[in-house]
Amino acid sequence: EVQVVESGGNLVQSGGSLRLSCVASGFTFSDHYMDWVRQAPGKGLEWVGRARNKANSYTTEYAASVKGRFTISRDESKNSLYLQMDSLKTEDTAVYYCGRGAWFGSTVTVDVWGQGTTVTVSS
Amino acid sequence: DIQLTQSPSFLSASVGDRVTITCRASQGISSYLAWYQQKPGKAPKLLIYAASTLQRGVPSRFSGSGSGTEFTLTISSLQPEDFATYYCQQGNTYPLTFGGGTKVEIK
Repeated sequence: EVQVVESGGNLVQSGGSLRLSCVASGFTFSDHYMDWVRQAPGKGLEWVGRARNKANSYTTEYAASVKGRFTISRDESKNSLYLQMDSLKTEDTAVYYCGRGAWFGSTVTVDVWGQGTTVTVSS
Repeated sequence: DIQLTQSPSFLSASVGDRVTITCRASQGISSYLAWYQQKPGKAPKLLIYAASTLQRGVPSRFSGSGSGTEFTLTISSLQPEDFATYYCQQGNTYPLTFGGGTKVEIK
């Protein structure tokens, strides 16, 4: 079964750090782009960032709201994606989803989602 | 950044109704648009990619159309399991962006 499972969400103080993990199974992890998307309580979806696949040298992209504070990385030996979150702010409070990106024609679209992990940043 | 504006943000409809949701992009995005369905407490689910291609396993009552700056998601005959929030997302330019969502509720 193709799936991704997030973990690592927790309560953390403003200014603190947290690392989220996402373990993939059922597919060739290195072939796929991987995204992080978040959803603040009662709000819509917000794209956080992307790590490209091996063929694209695992390069990354970020939303402006997290650039310079969050870092996405991959460990191919563990089929894992990570989101290192530093200098956390209360507005980073959200459910964080990991998603598998797949090529559909000329673009990559997330087609498999995890169940999400909750990050709460207190002041 | 490319802004995606969904309308309406909320709609009330009955089982069997035909429902149309619009997503407008602030600049042209070709056909690089996806539609997702999200139910409360659940992860999003991919419905349509490349503006009009139905994801495998998604019922044929869902359809998508459009290119450039204007896109639509249509549900031809609303079913009880379709009551949810729907989001569009553009994949043309970084940063990727989502529309604000359309919540479909039971009338």
